[in-house]
Amino acid sequence: QSVLTQPPSMSGTPGQRVTISCSGSTSNIGTNSVNWYQQVPGGTPKLLIFGNTQRPSGVPDRFSGSKSGTSASLAISGLQSEDEATYYCVVWDNNLMGLFGGGTKLTVL
Amino acid sequence: EVHLVESGGGLIQPGRSLRLSCAASGFTFNEYAIHWVRQVPGKGLEWVSGISWNSGSKGYAGSVQGRFTISRDNARNSVYLQMDGLQSEDTALYYCVKDQDEFRWQWLALDSWGQGTLVTVSS
Repeated sequence: QSVLTQPPSMSGTPGQRVTISCSGSTSNIGTNSVNWYQQVPGGTPKLLIFGNTQRPSGVPDRFSGSKSGTSASLAISGLQSEDEATYYCVVWDNNLMGLFGGGTKLTVL
Repeated sequence: EVHLVESGGGLIQPGRSLRLSCAASGFTFNEYAIHWVRQVPGKGLEWVSGISWNSGSKGYAGSVQGRFTISRDNARNSVYLQMDGLQSEDTALYYCVKDQDEFRWQWLALDSWGQGTLVTVSS
């Protein structure tokens, strides 16, 4: 069981907006920046959001990140079929280690 | 173009040791932190260990602390993961991963991933 809590699965229809949550504590999300990754089946993870809210070049602005207190969120607007993937939050913990959330499998209906 | 190529995986008996290597190219290696992340096929990602650009800082997941040792050789553009006392729970695909920003530690914006090397711990 991961220290960072994400919902195991979510679903949405094309065009919908979905929000994936990531809950941590004061030793990780509360003090450090959160990053988000997308992993499609059979692929390697792709950096989607870094520094809580920033998008690497090439990532559509449909993807956005936010953080408040000890929780963070990834929002996907205008859901598309290619967004079907597993999404992970990642953050450094002040106990000198990195942490991944358990992952959220997003299904586009 | 950034390339990270892992090697050293294989089938190993419980309690034995294995050394993973990661050969890097396409960027100024001695400016970036490198991490190892593992994934059991069909399961989630787990951060295993990381090392700063100058080896001044290192970190380990609680599950491997005291058994795994990370190191790097900037002259050879390589990172290593020495894995001792292997357990069945260490069976996974091990990825070598580069941090996005130079001279940052505790950042974990991992922008380049290798294809991974599979470690199977079984008798």
